[in-house]
Order: sequence, then structure tokens, then C-alpha cells
Amino acid sequence: DIVMTQSPDSLAVSLGERATINCKSSQSVLYSSNNKNYLAWYQQKPGQPPKMLIYWASTRESGVPDRFSGSGSGTDFTLTISSLQAEDVAVYYCQQYYNTPAFGQGTKVEIK
Amino acid sequence: QVQLEQSGPEVKKPGASVKVSCKSSGFTFSNFGFNWVRQAPGQGLEWVGWVSANNGNTNSAKRLQSRVTMTTDTSTSTAYMELRNLRSDDTAVYYCARSPDIHSWYYFDHWGQGTLVTVSS
Repeated sequence: DIVMTQSPDSLAVSLGERATINCKSSQSVLYSSNNKNYLAWYQQKPGQPPKMLIYWASTRESGVPDRFSGSGSGTDFTLTISSLQAEDVAVYYCQQYYNTPAFGQGTKVEIK
Repeated sequence: QVQLEQSGPEVKKPGASVKVSCKSSGFTFSNFGFNWVRQAPGQGLEWVGWVSANNGNTNSAKRLQSRVTMTTDTSTSTAYMELRNLRSDDTAVYYCARSPDIHSWYYFDHWGQGTLVTVSS
């Protein structure tokens, strides 16, 4: 099974500053036949279900603000919030779907 | 608009079974797959399994395989997840989540509101 590890577990960022979350998979999630990374990012606010932000590692879901971006390939991925807003306080999860789905442990983002 | 409406909270005793439903609207049900993801109190997300609404194919997490059954009813656009022989560590919010493909789980683009299942003697 592929294990997903996120870092850091939590971070505090000032409003308007950049937040960066890392996600590492125990094996590559890049499928060579279509050159796609089978990785998604989700945002979960307290008391709500998760919301998908990014899929195929870097494709932003419709309606997601462009301050959210995903990058990386193979085993190392990053979710970047370019200018943190108050409404971005949440827990963020990465998920691989290369084989049976697995999530990272989550990264809690707070305001400094 | 896409909506996934889940059934209400459940309280069960250890050893019992629970069946959670997820009624869909706003899209063609049989063109998608449905996943079940659970979240224990204060914990992260754990994938439970997937069912294709097109052909009924399923796949589930190894550690739950022997106790979980996922089905769909295309006549009512509803997905179901049944978990048997419940234990206290099955206490969690169970989410249904749509996948954009009938052949595999992929990513989860829409989620239900969640169903709290509490297992307690």
C-alpha cells in the first residue's frame, strides 16, 4: 500500500502571506502511460465534509480561488496558498488514487 | 446542482450492523462511482471502499473487506454502505463521495454531509 506523509502537521501563517504544505508518497503516483500524477488535495473546515481543491496534482477544481495551486511529480508534491485569507483556516489533506486510495494525515493551517 | 444526501445518525451496539444511504441528485447517477470515507473523532480521513453505479463493481480497504458491503440502487439514485460486526473503533463520521469515473475510484469531487455512526454498549 502507498503511504502518504504530509509536512508540517500544522502551520501558522500571517494573513496575506504564503502557506506551503508538502506531501510525500512512499512510491511514485505518476502513471507513465498518460504522464499523470494521481494525486488530489482537499480542504476540510470544522464540522464540514472535505472539499476537493486540486486533482491530477495541479488541476484546480472549478470555483476554487486561484491563490490555491498544486505542484510536484512522482513522489513529492506541494499545495501552495499564495496569499492566506481568513477563510482558508482549515485542515488540508493530500490523497493518492494511483492504487487503493490513501490520505495523508492532514495539515492544520491557522492564522499567526 | 450536484447533491449527495446521507441518512441520519446511528447508534449501534458492538456486534450489530449499520447501513448508511447516500441519495444523489443533479447528475446522471449511473455515470459515476461512489466512495465511502470515514473519519473517527478528531482524526484524519480513511477510505472505506468504492462502488461503480454503472456495473456494481466494488473494491474496499483490506482491513474492512470482510465486514463491508457497498451497493447501489439506480432506480432511486442511491448508494449504500453496510458495515457488519461493529466495534467501538468503527465509531466515526461516514461520508459518501462521488468519483468521476465508473471504472475506478480516482478523486472525490463531491461529498455528502456525513453520517455519524456511534458504536457503544
